[in-house]
Amino acid sequence: GAGVSQSPSNKVTEKGKDVELRCDPISGHTALYWYRQRLGQGLEFLIYFQGNSAPDKSGLPSDRFSAERTGESVSTLTIQRTQQEDSAVYLCASSNAALAGVVREQFFGPGTRLTVL
Amino acid sequence: AQSVTQLDSHVSVSEGTPVLLRCNYSSSYSPSLFWYVQHPNKGLQLLLKYTSAATLVKGINGFEAEFKKSETSFHLTKPSAHMSDAAEYFCVVSIRPLRGSSNTGKLIFGQGTTLQVKP
Repeated sequence: GAGVSQSPSNKVTEKGKDVELRCDPISGHTALYWYRQRLGQGLEFLIYFQGNSAPDKSGLPSDRFSAERTGESVSTLTIQRTQQEDSAVYLCASSNAALAGVVREQFFGPGTRLTVL
Repeated sequence: AQSVTQLDSHVSVSEGTPVLLRCNYSSSYSPSLFWYVQHPNKGLQLLLKYTSAATLVKGINGFEAEFKKSETSFHLTKPSAHMSDAAEYFCVVSIRPLRGSSNTGKLIFGQGTTLQVKP
């Protein structure tokens, strides 16, 4: 079956421009996560969506970052007024609901490589 | 707070020799632990996970890891390295979501270990 997909795969933008990244989770997965991976480093958690609950935005690095998700479908991560330090690979993951007492495997998309010039 | 430390940023082994990638964790709660692998230009793939069942966990491609609570370690091993094992490996910790808590089950990644396999 189809995995997590992300678009675009690569994005080059100029400093100060806004960018929008898209994630299509696996059908039926209610939990969706965004992570950022800077060159040579591990992943940093950004934001989490679970069904219709309020998202966990605790990982967003600044108010230039925002994300939306409609129901249990597509999510978009928006970065306003991009800076060079925003250059990274942005990864999306989805999983079945985060039930009490159970940690579900997260399935990752291929990522969007963002380069801010 | 939860954290993960991968003790080696780079490990180099010869093909056919054992692999050991070291990981220590810190967690105030009973952790779930994972190892993910990332091949160049490919997405992250789950190798194995520990969720409080058997302390010795077997994963894909011959990898296994042992949870040692007394040492707060979760080292990844493989008896015999293959060229195709060359990749970036991440040790990951997550807290199990508690009923009524705000915990999201988000993953906390280590900095990664690059495994090089020489012919």
